[in-house]
Amino acid sequence: DAGITQSPRHKVTETGTPVTLRCHQTENHRYMYWYRQDPGHGLRLIHYSYGVKDTDKGEVSDGYSVSRSKTEDFLLTLESATSSQTSVYFCAISNEGTDTQYFGPGTRLTVL
Amino acid sequence: AQSVTQLDSQVPVFEEAPVELRCNYSSSVSVYLFWYVQYPNQGLQLLLKYLSGSTLVESINGFEAEFNKSQTSFHLRKPSVHISDTAEYFCAVIPTGGYQKVTFGTGTKLQVIP
Repeated sequence: DAGITQSPRHKVTETGTPVTLRCHQTENHRYMYWYRQDPGHGLRLIHYSYGVKDTDKGEVSDGYSVSRSKTEDFLLTLESATSSQTSVYFCAISNEGTDTQYFGPGTRLTVL
Repeated sequence: AQSVTQLDSQVPVFEEAPVELRCNYSSSVSVYLFWYVQYPNQGLQLLLKYLSGSTLVESINGFEAEFNKSQTSFHLRKPSVHISDTAEYFCAVIPTGGYQKVTFGTGTKLQVIP
């Protein structure tokens, strides 16, 4: 299995609070991604990174920001969490942009 | 831009019966195609992929998929399913020409009935 960890694995928070999710990889892959998974929507890309300090938006980026200061870490921040951001968040990595993606175990976030 | 359609959200099938999970895509450029599988409470993992060459690709656990360019399809099949195949299956595409964002289908839940 690819070395990808996500923390925390579960989080319950309140509306309006900031939340940061962390993705850590030990594979030295160039590309990292954040997705959210919701019933009926499959996986939707939030943000992705193609190198240190190089990031771009996905299809559902509103309300989210990311940072990548090191190859191995990709942070997803919800500046002010809303109930619509209750979801399961997955991090993924790939060596090339068109290559297989390897997924982390997911973080279940509940915003009350 | 590209899109992926998985028309069947759920597919129940009896153990040892054959199954086909359908995937159709739309794209104005050439694409690579993937099937990922997600077991309960886990992340997605690659099942098989088509990049080039033979249009029939196989996985190590008996699944196969055939790329049909004229019908823009990449259906997943298995001749005899097992209880352990119960999972959700996602079709995905990405353009071949440099990095662009991968597009996933909405998933098909395969339920194998004993």
